[in-house]
Amino acid sequence: DQQVKQNSPSLSVQEGRISILNCDYTNSMFDYFLWYKKYPAEGPTFLISISSIKDKNEDGRFTVFLNKSAKHLSLHIVPSQPGDSAVYFCAAFNSGGSNYKLTFGKGTLLTVNP
Amino acid sequence: EPEVTQTPSHQVTQMGQEVILRCVPISNHLYFYWYRQILGQKVEFLVSFYNNEISEKSEIFDDQFSVERPDGSNFTLKIRSTKLEDSAMYFCASRGTGVRTDTQYFGPGTRLTVL
Repeated sequence: DQQVKQNSPSLSVQEGRISILNCDYTNSMFDYFLWYKKYPAEGPTFLISISSIKDKNEDGRFTVFLNKSAKHLSLHIVPSQPGDSAVYFCAAFNSGGSNYKLTFGKGTLLTVNP
Repeated sequence: EPEVTQTPSHQVTQMGQEVILRCVPISNHLYFYWYRQILGQKVEFLVSFYNNEISEKSEIFDDQFSVERPDGSNFTLKIRSTKLEDSAMYFCASRGTGVRTDTQYFGPGTRLTVL
């Protein structure tokens, strides 16, 4: 039951270039989306989020775009840095529920090469 | 910056034994969660906890699992009789009130190995 899908298991980019990580969802009840970054042997670290009332949210080098009609979101990292190398998880929840339980994608391993 | 902490970082146990995983959520947070990630698989929701009771649990969270907030700071996950398939990373998360009520903050995880 893949309600949140990250179809690219890995992505490799050069330092200084743009990294684009993609995420699709099937559950139309999801109205809040988050990206987490995870290094080996650490827990997921919150990166950026977006509510379904917006189509873009920006925080420094990180921008998340949401296309509700396509049920698709993407995370752009510009410029990419070697320290950005990690697994990136897309997660979603329905804010109408009281618990905000997260449904995660499988993750995309980003490698930024110097 | 406040953070969620978890102990131990790694727990090895024999099948059938009880384990308790401990978490200290961020101090002013009110909502607490456990997730797990089996090697190579997704992070999965186990249970949410609010106002001293379970607010939602997944089908994974069967009678072998329980959660407790024994005092004002700790949040524990107990597995009564561990099975081989319980081997996973277990993450605690908490969520607060105020500016970022939508965001769950995760601890570093406990790696549980059941032999």
